[in-house]
Amino acid sequence: RKEVEQDPGPFNVPEGATVAFNCTYSNSASQSFFWYRQDCRKEPKLLMSVYSSGNEDGRFTAQLNRASQYISLLIRDSKLSDSATYLCVVNMGGSARQLTFGSGTQLTVLP
Amino acid sequence: NAGVTQTPKFQVLKTGQSMTLQCAQDMNHNSMYWYRQDPGMGLRLIYYSASEGTTDKGEVPNGYNVSRLNKREFSLRLESAAPSQTSVYFCASQKQGSETQYFGPGTRLLVL
Repeated sequence: RKEVEQDPGPFNVPEGATVAFNCTYSNSASQSFFWYRQDCRKEPKLLMSVYSSGNEDGRFTAQLNRASQYISLLIRDSKLSDSATYLCVVNMGGSARQLTFGSGTQLTVLP
Repeated sequence: NAGVTQTPKFQVLKTGQSMTLQCAQDMNHNSMYWYRQDPGMGLRLIYYSASEGTTDKGEVPNGYNVSRLNKREFSLRLESAAPSQTSVYFCASQKQGSETQYFGPGTRLLVL
């Protein structure tokens, strides 16, 4: 079983739609959680951190359910520029605070 | 600030050849990382350096060596390249006390 699992998609949605991505992680001792965005043939970049209470950044909302070991990302009013791969990332602790990456969910927003 | 830079951007090697991937950061970050990214696998950690003068193995270190030359630079060496090492290699850095990693643009490596 992968340590961080995501639905690979692809998700193809029309502009203006709401889309949600899910992610599960295997290590219950995981300490912190993130969503990174990776554009085609580019490097990953931090989109947002995920807090236990849930957090919102504009059209993006992230949720964490520690009991179910589940993370979600909701994108409202999707734009063409949201087309990318979204990586679920978990810090499972340890001395080097290593990050474990999911394989990503591909989103294409269609005009 | 250039952030994290990597050279080369692309490389084609023959099986058995060696090469060094270069990475540098100008953000005064303590920690640096080398990952590889393969289709359907996500990023996997090869080696990391928590601070200048230290290096440690990650998830997939076999076939690689690293050098933390100074605080700015962290290089990855393939001594004898194999087709299984065909991948996209990303270097990243992280500031002490922060959990955000900043990535370089990547090196696309093809081993024939």
